[in-house]
Amino acid sequence: GEDVEQSLFLSVREGDSSVINCTYTDSSSTYLYWYKQEPGAGLQLLTYIFSNMDMKQDQRLTVLLNKKDKHLSLRIADTQTGDSAIYFCAESPPRYSSYKLIFGSGTRLLVRP
Amino acid sequence: EPEVTQTPSHQVTQMGQEVILRCVPISNHLYFYWYRQILGQKVEFLVSFYNNEISEKSEIFDDQFSVERPDGSNFTLKIRSTKLEDSAMYFCARGGQGTYEQYFGPGTRLTVT
Repeated sequence: GEDVEQSLFLSVREGDSSVINCTYTDSSSTYLYWYKQEPGAGLQLLTYIFSNMDMKQDQRLTVLLNKKDKHLSLRIADTQTGDSAIYFCAESPPRYSSYKLIFGSGTRLLVRP
Repeated sequence: EPEVTQTPSHQVTQMGQEVILRCVPISNHLYFYWYRQILGQKVEFLVSFYNNEISEKSEIFDDQFSVERPDGSNFTLKIRSTKLEDSAMYFCARGGQGTYEQYFGPGTRLTVT
């Protein structure tokens, strides 16, 4: 079945790095995504990675992809209190012509001052 | 990319009533989506809409649900006879410049009493 897995909770100190992990199900997924959801807000597309890449860096964000293990991670450098939110991993299996997204259950990141 | 907007932000309705959730305004994109998130659960795909037709729908999207783009801009989700279990956040999303990108609105919180 389709089940994108994430750990539920992560707590880090301000200034430290955060690493949020995800395992996905479909090895043929072409794109993998990270979304951020702040309280009461919608889903903000943070970044995505194409499956032929191992790594993508965008300012403080680094995405690592291990296709063999179907493992995706998001590293946030110098984590700030404003980074506190729920982070969702998502995949888009190519068998769905609509490019629908399949989400994990989200990881709640708490940044302590 | 400009954000997607949704109205209303919160809708309270009685069981059995019809509700219409709106995604406004929408510029000239081809792909639109509805997702929902029941409190404490994953974001789930409901339906995708491409070129003014449903391209894919999930098991959740039964005969009680319908989507329309009535005037070429607004994109609506109608629930004909709401049930208690329809209470959730409903997110509209649109495809981006690349079809692999999806940008979400802030959501409509639907409460069925």
